Amino acid sequence: GAVVSQHPSRVICKSGTSVKIECRSLDFQATTMFWYRQFPKKSLMLMATSNEGSKATYEQGVEKDKFLINHASLTLSTLTVTSAHPEDSSFYICSARDQDGRRLDEQYFGPGTRLTVT
Amino acid sequence: RKEVEQDPGPFNVPEGATVAFNCTYSNSASQSFFWYRQDCRKEPKLLMSVYSSGNEDGRFTAQLNRASQYISLLIRDSKLSDSATYLCVVYTGGFKTIFGAGTRLFVKA
Repeated sequence: GAVVSQHPSRVICKSGTSVKIECRSLDFQATTMFWYRQFPKKSLMLMATSNEGSKATYEQGVEKDKFLINHASLTLSTLTVTSAHPEDSSFYICSARDQDGRRLDEQYFGPGTRLTVT
Repeated sequence: RKEVEQDPGPFNVPEGATVAFNCTYSNSASQSFFWYRQDCRKEPKLLMSVYSSGNEDGRFTAQLNRASQYISLLIRDSKLSDSATYLCVVYTGGFKTIFGAGTRLFVKA
């Protein structure tokens, strides 16, 4: 199956700092990537849809100025959590769709990034 | 009403048992359906896709009832390694994929 990587896998930062998370599709091109957040024992919540070469589409209630998304190439999307606070501590997961040759409805997930803000 | 609803769980079953999870969805235009498995602190992994009335893969059987807007997952001969959270996922077209809240399964020796 298609491979998606995320970096870092785990990060601890201080309140007020910014953290960048990278999501890469390793063996396919992804014009669309998705960013999810998951709190303990809760389901994945879609934060935003990242489109290569254009602005991301944010879900209702997600602050676009706080969660900056950049999808500069067909294999890389980044999520920057700006001015992080302890309540931003969560498991952030990206996924990608392969637009060439595979089903458009299947998503390939990255391994996730566990963010802890102290 | 939630767009995708699953059995609340958790399900605690002994090894070798058969267990079934249910999932209902509200959008009748939903196009395809999936079951994902998620282990603790890991990303979801695709378990099965359900495009027509059902799909079977070894000990796992998924069924779809479009008229009732209902999907099920049956696990036969449960193994300890089946312990995980099972997510029902519905694709409604375009970029819209909805995740259920998940059902936790614990298989005990």
